[in-house]
Amino acid sequence: EVQLLQSGGGLVPPGGSLRLSCAASGFTFSSYAMTWVRQAPGKGLEWVSGITSSGASDYYTGSVKGRFTVSRDNSKDTLYLQISSLSADDTGIYYCARVLDLHAPGSFHRSAFDYWGQGALVTVSS
Amino acid sequence: QSALTQPASVSGSPGQSVTISCTGTDNDVGRYNSVSWYQQHPGKAPKLLISDVRNRPSGVSDRFSGSKSGNTASLTISGLQAEDEADYYCNSYTSSTYVFGTGTAVTVL
Repeated sequence: EVQLLQSGGGLVPPGGSLRLSCAASGFTFSSYAMTWVRQAPGKGLEWVSGITSSGASDYYTGSVKGRFTVSRDNSKDTLYLQISSLSADDTGIYYCARVLDLHAPGSFHRSAFDYWGQGALVTVSS
Repeated sequence: QSALTQPASVSGSPGQSVTISCTGTDNDVGRYNSVSWYQQHPGKAPKLLISDVRNRPSGVSDRFSGSKSGNTASLTISGLQAEDEADYYCNSYTSSTYVFGTGTAVTVL
């Protein structure tokens, strides 16, 4: 059974940093691209970041470029999102998700997100 | 990248069909057949319903179907059931990133 278990959320002051983790099990983690999606309280989904299966390439939405860093440790089957220079606009639930390999093994592009973590709440407040 | 446009809400009676539209641009929905749809119940993680415009993953009811014409994709829910009451989001690939729709709340009357 595919599982994505998230950890690392919490309360952080404006300007602070946090690292989110997403531990994968039930599939060959190193064969799949992964992604992060967030949801502000009472709002819709927003795609945040993604990384290829090897970790060689990463991608970000404009509002987090330079502040967020996605990475992965395929030896530990774990995905990470380092978030920094946080503001209230970054408050929300952060989900990790597996990228379905529709067109090429491990590809991040032109795909969909088939398994999701349970979410981690990040609250930016003083 | 602006969010794709969806109606805020749609409603229908049990057994009826409802269709949710998702309007993008020539750079996302209109350019790629990489439109997916997600269902989200309150307090839960999203669930993939449709990938590549019209493909259903194993285990997803055939009451859910997708289509696309030009810059607009659509999700149709046939034979509406109480359990379909949820929020629905479209998503499109666009030049090394992805963009979600604004979301649609489906109410079963």
